Amino acid sequence: NAGVTQTPKFQVLKTGQSMTLQCAQDMNHEYMSWYRQDPGMGLRLIHYSVGAGITDQGEVPNGYNVSRSTTEDFPLRLLSAAPSQTSVYFCASSPRYEFRNNTEAFFGQGTRLTVV
Amino acid sequence: AQKITQTQPGMFVQEKEAVTLDCTYDTSDPSYGLFWYKQPSSGEMIFLIYQGSYDQQNATEGRYSLNFQKARKSANLVISASQLGDSAMYFCAMREGGGTGFQKLVFGTGTRLLVSP
Repeated sequence: NAGVTQTPKFQVLKTGQSMTLQCAQDMNHEYMSWYRQDPGMGLRLIHYSVGAGITDQGEVPNGYNVSRSTTEDFPLRLLSAAPSQTSVYFCASSPRYEFRNNTEAFFGQGTRLTVV
Repeated sequence: AQKITQTQPGMFVQEKEAVTLDCTYDTSDPSYGLFWYKQPSSGEMIFLIYQGSYDQQNATEGRYSLNFQKARKSANLVISASQLGDSAMYFCAMREGGGTGFQKLVFGTGTRLLVSP
């Protein structure tokens, strides 16, 4: 049972470099999202998607792009890395919500990114 | 304003004892869900338990139970018979709103639990 798979697990970037964090899920979930985790701040939503071809911004979207061409994949692109983007990134997926039947989000293992 | 407040940065408990991790929340939406996640030192986020705002009974999952006091807006996690493997960071989170649109999870800042032998 793979669930949500993120790659890479660790990455060091130089300021100004670009890269893509990969996320794939095999549960046929409609909803996918990216969060970042910073010390003392919990997790904050970056971008999310409610289905293939549909994405929207979350709480902290600046400096990141996303796309969703398939149900399974939801990559996160850092356009020009900055030290402020040093963080742990989590991809999550969940099935479509039904009223009074909220379901939990399934998280990937996380990607620890350091920008120097 | 903080939507989810976890006031205990760290908690210590001895093995086999019970421990309560506090969580208070703030929302004006009558429909919401409350979640607890565990994050061990390896870093992954593990779902533990869920409580819906309309649920009449407190949620339970094995050794985990959620003490849901709606009027006080609290959703404390109770871990019974603590084990060494329970040492981890614990996050309380809330999802507001019913319906079928996406609603983000709002997380607290977490409580680090250390279980000693």
